[in-house]
Amino acid sequence: AQRVTQPEKLLSVFKGAPVELKCNYSYSGSPELFWYVQYSRQRLQLLLRHISRESIKGFTADLNKGETSFHLKKPFAQEEDSAMYYCALSLRTGNQFYFGTGTSLTVIP
Amino acid sequence: DTEVTQTPKHLVMGMTNKKSLKCEQHMGHRAMYWYKQKAKKPPELMFVYSYEKLSINESVPSRFSPECPNSSLLNLHLHALQPEDSALYLCASSQRAGGVETQYFGPGTRLLVL
Repeated sequence: AQRVTQPEKLLSVFKGAPVELKCNYSYSGSPELFWYVQYSRQRLQLLLRHISRESIKGFTADLNKGETSFHLKKPFAQEEDSAMYYCALSLRTGNQFYFGTGTSLTVIP
Repeated sequence: DTEVTQTPKHLVMGMTNKKSLKCEQHMGHRAMYWYKQKAKKPPELMFVYSYEKLSINESVPSRFSPECPNSSLLNLHLHALQPEDSALYLCASSQRAGGVETQYFGPGTRLLVL
C-alpha cells in the first residue's frame, strides 16, 4: 500500500514566486514525517522533520492530520532551490521508512 | 565525525565478479540501512540492521548479501549481479532524537553492471 503520495513529478516556478510541494500520507497511527532534498550530484539530505516545527532555507512544512498532508512551502523560491524533493514517513515501531515518488522542482530565473 | 561515508564512489563490475560496498558511520547510530536508487526514482529499502542484527530484508535477491561487522560498519557483498542491478546504492544510519527516528544518508556508490 502506498503510504506516501507526491502527486507532482515535476514542478516549475519563477524565482521569487511562492512554491508548495504536496505530500499526502496514509497511516492510521501517529506518523513521523520528513522532507528530504537531493541536489544534483549530491547526497540525499534531511531538510525538515515535522516534530521540529522549524524553518530550513526558508522552507516550512505543517502536519495536517485531518487532511493527512505534510506540504512543503516556501514564500519566495530561489534558483538554488532547484532539486529533487522527497517526502518520507517513518513508523514509530521498527526502523521502516517510506519515501514518496519525489517532486523535481525547477526554479526559473 | 557527523557523516555517513561510503566506498567506493563508483564501481563497474561484470556479471561474474564478486565485489563489496562499504559504509561507515561514527555517530553512534544503532540502525543502518541499504537502499537502491534508480535514476529519478525514490530510494527503495533493501536491508535494515538494528543493533548489528538484520531486522528487515525486503525480499532482496540472494546475489546481494549484507553484513554488519560492528556498530559502525555495514557492507553489501555483491555476486553474480545482473545489468538491471545497476543503480546508486545508498547507505543510511539513524538515531532517535527528540522522540523521532531520523535517517542520515551517505553519498552513495554508483554501480554499473556490464
